[in-house]
Amino acid sequence: DTAVSQTPKYLVTQMGNDKSIKCEQNLGHDTMYWYKQDSKKFLKIMFSYNNKELIINETVPNRFSPKSPDKAHLNLHINSLELGDSAVYFCASSQDLTQYFGPGTRLTVL
Amino acid sequence: GQQVMQIPQYQHVQEGEDFTTYCNSSTTLSNIQWYKQRPGGHPVFLIQLVKSGEVKKQKRLTFQFGEAKKNSSLHITATQTTDVGTYFCAGRQGGKLIFGQGTELSVKP
Repeated sequence: DTAVSQTPKYLVTQMGNDKSIKCEQNLGHDTMYWYKQDSKKFLKIMFSYNNKELIINETVPNRFSPKSPDKAHLNLHINSLELGDSAVYFCASSQDLTQYFGPGTRLTVL
Repeated sequence: GQQVMQIPQYQHVQEGEDFTTYCNSSTTLSNIQWYKQRPGGHPVFLIQLVKSGEVKKQKRLTFQFGEAKKNSSLHITATQTTDVGTYFCAGRQGGKLIFGQGTELSVKP
């Protein structure tokens, strides 16, 4: 009965690799988000989708590509991973801007 | 663009002491939300304030929204070890939330 789920929970990979993180919500929300939380705990929005449509695209390298196959899923694909991509990535969903966060994916790039 | 500043960045208290974190925005906010993130966890919504001067309480937590709707505070009375975590405020800018930098609270038993 998890509301917002993400996989994997941990991801350790080498520089230059491509990886994906998956997110699913069963709350029936229309809007989903990806956030990046750095080592200083700063939470920064990356993308937002409303009913499968991209509505927010912050200044994020185009190595990051979100994909929303339906309104319950929002995946994040990252190409050519760099050391600076190491962070915790949170998926979230909302209906009225109140954010329901997933458990996070800790990405470590070696 | 809108900035949301939060202070202090860290606060270490003895169990039983009070704790306050402050949030200031460069622009007027339509509303402000507060979240708590436990160590190793994810942010969890605590509350939303909408009205100028609004004060809301949740047990030992008191949330205030400034008269000008540009600042907010969260006060915890008599902290407990279960209060440990990072507290974030978030202000609305258009269709997204802008998060403050967070205040990390540690409580010494």
